[in-house]
Amino acid sequence: EAAVTQSPRNKVTVTGGNVTLSCRQTNSHNYMYWYRQDTGHGLRLIHYSYGAGNLQIGDVPDGYKATRTTQEDFFLLLELASPSQTSLYFCASSDDWGTQDTQYFGPGTRLLVL
Amino acid sequence: AQKVTQTQTSISVVEKTTVTMDCVYETRDSSYFLFWYKQTASGEIVFLIRQDSYKKENATVGHYSLNFQKPKSSIGLIITATQIEDSAVYFCAMRELADSNYQLIWGSGTKLIIKP
Repeated sequence: EAAVTQSPRNKVTVTGGNVTLSCRQTNSHNYMYWYRQDTGHGLRLIHYSYGAGNLQIGDVPDGYKATRTTQEDFFLLLELASPSQTSLYFCASSDDWGTQDTQYFGPGTRLLVL
Repeated sequence: AQKVTQTQTSISVVEKTTVTMDCVYETRDSSYFLFWYKQTASGEIVFLIRQDSYKKENATVGHYSLNFQKPKSSIGLIITATQIEDSAVYFCAMRELADSNYQLIWGSGTKLIIKP
């Protein structure tokens, strides 16, 4: 089974602060995703990537940057955090062969922007 | 446009009974993949089961099964012999084969409450 880890699990920052959320997957998946989850909105895709150095824009990218440094590691960056970015963030990964399309999720990071 | 709709916001059933959660989808693609995920109270999101549109047989995994009605664009999740630990939020999702970016389109979720 796919293993996806996220850090930190919880983060508190202030408005204007700089935050980096980390995600690592150890199953050689090509695709990685960042979602945010808010009450009433379900899961919304922020950014995704299909390999190291690649970045694709999702549905709600404003205020977020992302970087895929290796096949395993995908980072989400909030350079000027705002209270509207208080949310639960999930990272996921999937491959494009075998069990393609099935996304496996990390445990989530709760971010509070004061 | 692609869309996944879960109209049941919350369902409550007694333990050991069978429950069905509804999901309808919209797509112009003739080939697509449908998924159900479970989000536990701790927030963990777990993949449960999938149905490929070209397969006529309904998928079954453990006490989860699907009721795939392609003409109605419907993919219901059936949980038999429910247990307290099945209490969670269940999400339906879809990916179209033509989408080379492997993005999932998500429903808004159904909260399932299992009562003793």
